[in-house]
Amino acid sequence: GQSLEQPSEVTAVEGAIVQINCTYQTSGFYGLSWYQQHDGGAPTFLSYNGLDGLEETGRFSSFLSRSDSYGYLLLQELQMKDSASYFCAVRDQGYGGSQGNLIFGKGTKLSVKP
Amino acid sequence: DGGITQSPKYLFRKEGQNVTLSCEQNLNHDAMYWYRQDPGQGLRLIYYSQIVNDFQKGDIAEGYSVSREKKESFPLTVTSAQKNPTAFYLCASSGSSGSGAETQYFGPGTRLLVL
Repeated sequence: GQSLEQPSEVTAVEGAIVQINCTYQTSGFYGLSWYQQHDGGAPTFLSYNGLDGLEETGRFSSFLSRSDSYGYLLLQELQMKDSASYFCAVRDQGYGGSQGNLIFGKGTKLSVKP
Repeated sequence: DGGITQSPKYLFRKEGQNVTLSCEQNLNHDAMYWYRQDPGQGLRLIYYSQIVNDFQKGDIAEGYSVSREKKESFPLTVTSAQKNPTAFYLCASSGSSGSGAETQYFGPGTRLLVL
């Protein structure tokens, strides 16, 4: 079967660093993405890792290890506005070995406290 | 400004009624998607379309139908066959290949409630 596992909830304080892990089991793999969704809002794209290693975009970084089927999203200098749900998503294998569609995890709800 | 619009924001459905959710994009994207999100859950793919006049079933297509007559538009109909339609419906679009395919842009969503 195909599955993505990530913690359901994480709590941290302003200014802290938090890491949200994602492990995946899929029939194919064409990259790991992260999306942010505020309550009642639309998901917005944060980052994409197609190869192993760390990608940095401002206060956010994302890491991928394909051999471990594992990735994480690192949020630094947390701000209250970072309170949201964070979803990892894997691009699976489609028909005939082509790239398939995104499979989303169930999301991690991050609460940032003062 | 380029983006994706969905309407209505809230939609109420009566028993046995078909309802249609609108999705329009002006990003010139080839690919469009419909997702369903239930409380505390991730996004599940209903239908997707890689090009005009072509679409494919996703993981939970039963009880739904779509059309893709124009590049900009990808409406979703929730039919009476969908017995549990209450959910948040999200439309998205992306480029069709290369790095452009990795970023999906989402509309603001339609919340469907059953009366």
